[in-house]
Formats: sequence, structure tokens, C-alpha cells
Amino acid sequence: SAVISQKPSRDICQRGTSLTIQCQVDSQVTMMFWYRQQPGQSLTLIATANQGSEATYESGFVIDKFPISRPNLTFSTLTVSNMSPEDSSIYLCSVAFLQGQGDEQYFGPGTRLTVT
Amino acid sequence: RKEVEQDPGPFNVPEGATVAFNCTYSNSASQSFFWYRQDCRKEPKLLMSVYSSGNEDGRFTAQLNRASQYISLLIRDSKLSDSATYLCVVQFSGGYNKLIFGAGTRLAVHP
Repeated sequence: SAVISQKPSRDICQRGTSLTIQCQVDSQVTMMFWYRQQPGQSLTLIATANQGSEATYESGFVIDKFPISRPNLTFSTLTVSNMSPEDSSIYLCSVAFLQGQGDEQYFGPGTRLTVT
Repeated sequence: RKEVEQDPGPFNVPEGATVAFNCTYSNSASQSFFWYRQDCRKEPKLLMSVYSSGNEDGRFTAQLNRASQYISLLIRDSKLSDSATYLCVVQFSGGYNKLIFGAGTRLAVHP
């Protein structure tokens, strides 16, 4: 497993502004992921961020709205751009380790975003 | 049809009870399966990986039926601390470690 931290833990932002969320891991990992969990719902993958390559976005998510950086093997950022109240959600990063028969993912504590 | 389906619950059970959660998945190419636990306002934490032969970890037993595309989690001797939402998670083959999460089953264990 890994120790994963996120900053900020929570924020309240005005619509039209942008917020950058940081994810730091205590070990080097190839694959990092960004998820969104809207109130009362399960997790939805936004994008996969591999060091040294462009992030891969899931259907419904675009780079202009959610730009991602992955400058090294222990760090990534997700920016939520031009926010609207619909972006209010918990944003989580995760890392994957190959274990046994599958890739186990471990999550950061999340960033709780409220857009007013 | 959702890719991963779970009974949302809630399951309200007394301490000491045995409770079982079921999960079905739609993609027969799925290769790896997991159960995560999520406490209120916390991140999901990996509870168990699910292996083809089934596996047990203390009071928790996970089983996989590939023919029926069905996964289960059994909790014996429930504790108050087991109260949480249990997420069924499936990883599809040929992807890039992408996980598909079920909506979760809520468990409430009462004294």
C-alpha cells in the first residue's frame, strides 16, 4: 500500500473560478487516477495520469475542464476549471499496485469541494 | 444495464448476525474483482481482493462465480464497527487498470 495525501482537504469556491488539487504519494508509482464522487453516489473515474505522458480522460470528462499534471512518480495535480455548482463533489486520487491477480488501488483522503 | 450492480440496502442487522452482499457485473471480460469499504465522509479502503477460488480473511469471505458474473461478500459475527458502505469493484481486462465501482451497499449494525 501507500500513504497518500491530498491538499486541500476541503474548499468552498465561487463559480467561475478554478481550484487545483494536489496529490502526494510516499512512494514512486506509475499509475495515478483521479475520481469524482458526487453526493450520495459512487466513484466515477475522471482520468488516468501516467508520468511522462498525457492523461487519459474518461467519457464525459475533457482536458479543458479538468487539466491534470504528472511531473514525477510521486505527485499529481487535478484542476477543476471554470467551476459551477454542479462541480461540487469529493475529488479523490488513487494509486495502483499490482498484487496477486489484479491491480489494487489505494485512495487519498479526498478533497471536498463546494461551489457556490 | 449498469456495469456493476449492487443492492443499495440499507441492511440493518444486530451485532453477531451474518450478512451477505451480492454484486453482478455485465462485462464477461472482467478479470479482477474487489470489495472496498467506505465509511461516511471517508475515502474507500480496500477490504479484499476476490480470487477465482474464493477467499477468506477472518470474518469476511468473498466468492466469485464467473459463469453467473456474480460476486458475494459474507460477513460473519457482525460488529458495530462493520457499519459502512461496501463497494463492489470490477476491473476489466484489456484496459489500463480501470476500476468500475458499484453504487455500494449500506450496512448498519446495531446493538
